[in-house]
Amino acid sequence: GESVGLHLPTLSVQEGDNSIINCAYSNSASDYFIWYKQESGKGPQFIIDIRSNMDKRQGQRVTVLLNKTVKHLSLQIAATQPGDSAVYFCAETTTDSWGKLQFGAGTQVVVTP
Amino acid sequence: EAEVAQSPRYKITEKSQAVAFWCDPISGHATLYWYRQILGQGPELLVQFQDESVVDDSQLPKDRFSAERLKGVDSTLKIQPAELGDSAMYLCASSLGATQGASYEQYFGPGTRLTVT
Repeated sequence: GESVGLHLPTLSVQEGDNSIINCAYSNSASDYFIWYKQESGKGPQFIIDIRSNMDKRQGQRVTVLLNKTVKHLSLQIAATQPGDSAVYFCAETTTDSWGKLQFGAGTQVVVTP
Repeated sequence: EAEVAQSPRYKITEKSQAVAFWCDPISGHATLYWYRQILGQGPELLVQFQDESVVDDSQLPKDRFSAERLKGVDSTLKIQPAELGDSAMYLCASSLGATQGASYEQYFGPGTRLTVT
C-alpha cells in the first residue's frame, strides 16, 4: 500500500548547526502534511504543517519544504539546540479522509555539544 | 494551555486479562483519535470519532478491542483479552474537527504505556 517513510533513522547534529530531516511519501493524493516532535515518554507535539498548494512554510527556527514533483518533504531546524533532541515524524493526510494521518517511522535527532 | 488527558500513564497486565484506557480531549474538540505506537515506529490509527460516532475503525482489531465515546466528550479504549503483542504506547489525540477543513492539527496526550506479561 502507499506509505510515508523517512530516509535516515538517526541524525547526529552538533549544537548550533542546522538540521535537515527528510521524508518521502508515495500517496500523490495527499494534500496536507505535518511534522511532529516526540520526546521520550511523551506524546507527539505539533511542529509545523504545510498544504499541498504551498512549497515552503516557515515557523520559529523551523522551515518545511514540500516538493510534490518527487513527493518529498523536509524539515529544517536552524541553530539546533539540545532541546531539539527527539524523534521527528512526518505525517500525511488527504482532506477528504476525515483528517486521518498516516505517519512515517520517525527520525531520531541527537544533538551533541 | 489546554491539554489532552490520559490515564493511567502506565499499565502492566497479564495476558488474557482485560484492560481499559481513558482519554479526555481538549474542550470543544469534536474529533478524537486513538493510536497505537510500537517502540521505534510512528503512531498507527486504531479508531477515530466525530462527536460520539465512529468514522474510522478499519484498523481496530474488533475481536478484542472496543472503543466508545458515549457523550461525545471523553472516551474509553478497552482490550479484552490482552495479548503479549498488545504491549505498546496507546495515544489519544483530539482536533477541532476534520469536517471543518481548517484544522487537521491533532493534539496528543501523554499516552498510556501498556506492558502485557
